[in-house]
Amino acid sequence: DTGVSQDPRHKITKRGQNVTFRCDPISEHNRLYWYRQTLGQGPEFLTYFQNEAQLEKSRLLSDRFSAERPKGSFSTLEIQRTEQGDSAMYLCASSLGRTSAGTGELFFGEGSRLTVL
Amino acid sequence: AQKVTQAQTEISVVEKEDVTLDCVYETRDTTYYLFWYKQPPSGELVFLIRRNSFDEQNEISGRYSWNFQKSTSSFNFTITASQVVDSAVYFCALSNYGGSQGNLIFGKGTKLSVKP
Repeated sequence: DTGVSQDPRHKITKRGQNVTFRCDPISEHNRLYWYRQTLGQGPEFLTYFQNEAQLEKSRLLSDRFSAERPKGSFSTLEIQRTEQGDSAMYLCASSLGRTSAGTGELFFGEGSRLTVL
Repeated sequence: AQKVTQAQTEISVVEKEDVTLDCVYETRDTTYYLFWYKQPPSGELVFLIRRNSFDEQNEISGRYSWNFQKSTSSFNFTITASQVVDSAVYFCALSNYGGSQGNLIFGKGTKLSVKP
């Protein structure tokens, strides 16, 4: 399978613990995006990388959140001192170039579901 | 501020019926992109279409068609002769023309149930 893969698919943690999610984009894609989706809502943009550079961050990304893409390939999203409000599906997407290029498609992974008890 | 409104939370139809999903957007930008994505029960968002603000031509792809009307800030999606496999949550989204263009503003989605 050469799509976007995310790991773990589901994480249950206690409040105050740290969690890390990993995203492996489609190999030739230089752009990588993180979104968060809560129940009954549409996805909300968190951050975006072009290669290894983090070029855009949403105000939703509090200081407890950090994302990296060290070699311009896979990315990690870490949440420190988790809170119950962090419970959500964390979606990763990748694209080759801007959404104005080609079909404009973002390729999404199946997401990592976080449950904070 | 940019905003996407999908007023229909849930729609239920019987197979072979036509169904239209509404999308109304707000933006101050004169150039922008509009998208539709499908999210089946598996959870993975699937791209359906992108339309740029320059192009108000309607588009048809098989059983799917899209009606973009800039005058009413709407980008509605019609499925003709619906099938059970069309059951999913459908999201309309908006992005700006500059910058990364990956910061999509999604609506809350419309859950479509197609019954046999």
